[in-house]
Amino acid sequence: GENVEQHPSTLSVQEGDSAVIKCTYSDSASNYFPWYKQELGKRPQLIIDIRSNVGEKKDQRIAVTLNKTAKHFSLHITETQPEDSAVYFCAATNAGKSTFGDGTTLTVKP
Amino acid sequence: DVKVTQSSRYLVKRTGEKVFLECVQDMDHENMFWYRQDPGLGLRLIYFSYDVKMKEKGDIPEGYSVSREKKERFSLILESASTNQTSMYLCASSFPPFTGSYAKNIQYFGAGTRLSVL
Repeated sequence: GENVEQHPSTLSVQEGDSAVIKCTYSDSASNYFPWYKQELGKRPQLIIDIRSNVGEKKDQRIAVTLNKTAKHFSLHITETQPEDSAVYFCAATNAGKSTFGDGTTLTVKP
Repeated sequence: DVKVTQSSRYLVKRTGEKVFLECVQDMDHENMFWYRQDPGLGLRLIYFSYDVKMKEKGDIPEGYSVSREKKERFSLILESASTNQTSMYLCASSFPPFTGSYAKNIQYFGAGTRLSVL
């Protein structure tokens, strides 16, 4: 089955700095890669996603890159703000079934 | 707005009890999922269902079963609860992957049920 590894497990940055979270996957059949944000006590919600036929996607301060050959994808957050503090999960999806990484706890210090 | 509702936010049960966790979605999604969330272990898939009366084992199905009698409702059953099943349980739903728009693969989560087994 699919295996997703996510790094780092914790990340602390100063407000205004950039943050990068990296994931690798094992199954070349995975073709959809969403990122979810989970604030404390809340449900995970999608923040950005990318399909396997696209190398990069950007939405305001967040961007995702995908290297299909190397089987890794990354989340980039620029100009971080305190409200970006949360747990972020990557996932690799095949035929509607997602395998999630273990999560990254991002703390943005004011 | 998609709504995925889990019947309880907090639940306390005794070892050996039969436990039912209920999930209802209002978006006519075919796919429904049950995950378990533990610190440092991410979201682990217990069971999923692609349609009514259909179920597939996920990565950690041992000790659990599911029921999907209606499209909007997916139930997780702990036949005989044990202390190692103390966890946060999340339900999610989505459209199937081949509906013409990959964006519909998005999973929508419920608020979660924090289950404590004593």
